[in-house]
Amino acid sequence: QQKVQQSPESLIVPEGGMASLNCTSSDRNVDYFWWYRQHSGKSPKMLMSIFSNGEKEEGRFTVHLNKASLHTSLHIRDSQPSDSALYLCAAAKSNYNVLYFGSGTKLTVEP
Amino acid sequence: EAGVTQSPRYAVLQEGQAVSFWCDPISGHDTLYWYQQPRDQGPQLLVYFRDEAVIDNSQLPSDRFSAVRPKGTNSTLKIQSAKQGDTATYLCASSLGLGGGTGQLYFGEGSKLTVL
Repeated sequence: QQKVQQSPESLIVPEGGMASLNCTSSDRNVDYFWWYRQHSGKSPKMLMSIFSNGEKEEGRFTVHLNKASLHTSLHIRDSQPSDSALYLCAAAKSNYNVLYFGSGTKLTVEP
Repeated sequence: EAGVTQSPRYAVLQEGQAVSFWCDPISGHDTLYWYQQPRDQGPQLLVYFRDEAVIDNSQLPSDRFSAVRPKGTNSTLKIQSAKQGDTATYLCASSLGLGGGTGQLYFGEGSKLTVL
């Protein structure tokens, strides 16, 4: 399977703070990246996708993608306790519909 | 719109026992995936189907795991002679279309397996 590496493994931020999560693929053929969020005991839900170089913002969430380095990052501003979850990065090649996931970053937002 | 439905939600087995997990994808979704998610790790692909055809089962431990989707709708994942290392949540997901890498996956709530 493709190797998708996420860092850090865990992250604690205060309520209202900024959380920054990183993800890199070691497969040069990857074209697409997703970020999924999984609350404890629940299924993963897609948060954002990014397929082109640059930045994409949706509310408090911003994703960046650098295709040359196959690196994507997710930034959550004004973090809320409800953002506490496992954040999963997934990558796929353009000619496949299979997502390969990293091990995740466990985010805890402390009130 | 109904989501992806999985059953049972929980299963507890002794080593050597067998278990089957069932998945009903979103209506009209032709692609179905089974992922294994150990505790505090990311989902790892086991097998996926387009309609009734297996597209990739290279990650299935074939001697004990099997998966079918006979009519291109519901699917069953079976584990025979379970081992403690199989303890994980088994996630089923579905999507529309194969190829292009742009299809969003919709996950079920998972079947949590504990092997004692």
